[in-house]
Amino acid sequence: GAVVSQHPSWVICKSGTSVKIECRSLDFQATTMFWYRQFPKQSLMLMATSNEGSKATYEQGVEKDKFLINHASLTLSTLTVTSAHPEDSSFYICSARDFLAGAYEQYFGPGTRLTVT
Amino acid sequence: AQSVTQLDSQVPVFEEAPVELRCNYSSSVSVYLFWYVQYPNQGLQLLLKYLSGSTLVKGINGFEAEFNKSQTSFHLRKPSVHISDTAEYFCAVSPNNNDMRFGAGTRLTVKP
Repeated sequence: GAVVSQHPSWVICKSGTSVKIECRSLDFQATTMFWYRQFPKQSLMLMATSNEGSKATYEQGVEKDKFLINHASLTLSTLTVTSAHPEDSSFYICSARDFLAGAYEQYFGPGTRLTVT
Repeated sequence: AQSVTQLDSQVPVFEEAPVELRCNYSSSVSVYLFWYVQYPNQGLQLLLKYLSGSTLVKGINGFEAEFNKSQTSFHLRKPSVHISDTAEYFCAVSPNNNDMRFGAGTRLTVKP
């Protein structure tokens, strides 16, 4: 149980276009989902926390107008990178917290590799 | 604020040797502690977690970790590593059942 999926697993887009990444909890309800960014050979940096039905909370330094997060249901959160630039190229990982299992553990998706050309 | 320090960025070790990956944290409140493993181009897989109770925690793949409150440490150990253990390992703390803060990671390389 507690499986989180991400789609797509990798995407290449041209500079100036927008890209949407989906994060789904497959077998549990996730009231809270988290979005992380990971640069090569570096750790995960929390970008934002999204709660179902409300606005996401962004970490300091993360542009909310560039990284749009929508948590429309208990099983789906989306991250849209708007007007992407090469510096947005990164590995994006989402995680979800199982509301019924307790609040302490996050389950991570497999990640999405974004390359902006 | 909470922070996590993984003291070794890279740990090379020979197959079947023991290994310890070090993790120290700082926090003014009680925290939950985690170790995750990441294989190339994949997400994170939970190895083990400490929430409360026994300070020695056993996880998957033969890993274990010991919580030391006085030293604010949560070192990860395995008595005998395999080639397949080669991966990136992240220590993480969660202070308030909300966000999670990660260490910089330790690259474990197991050599034949």
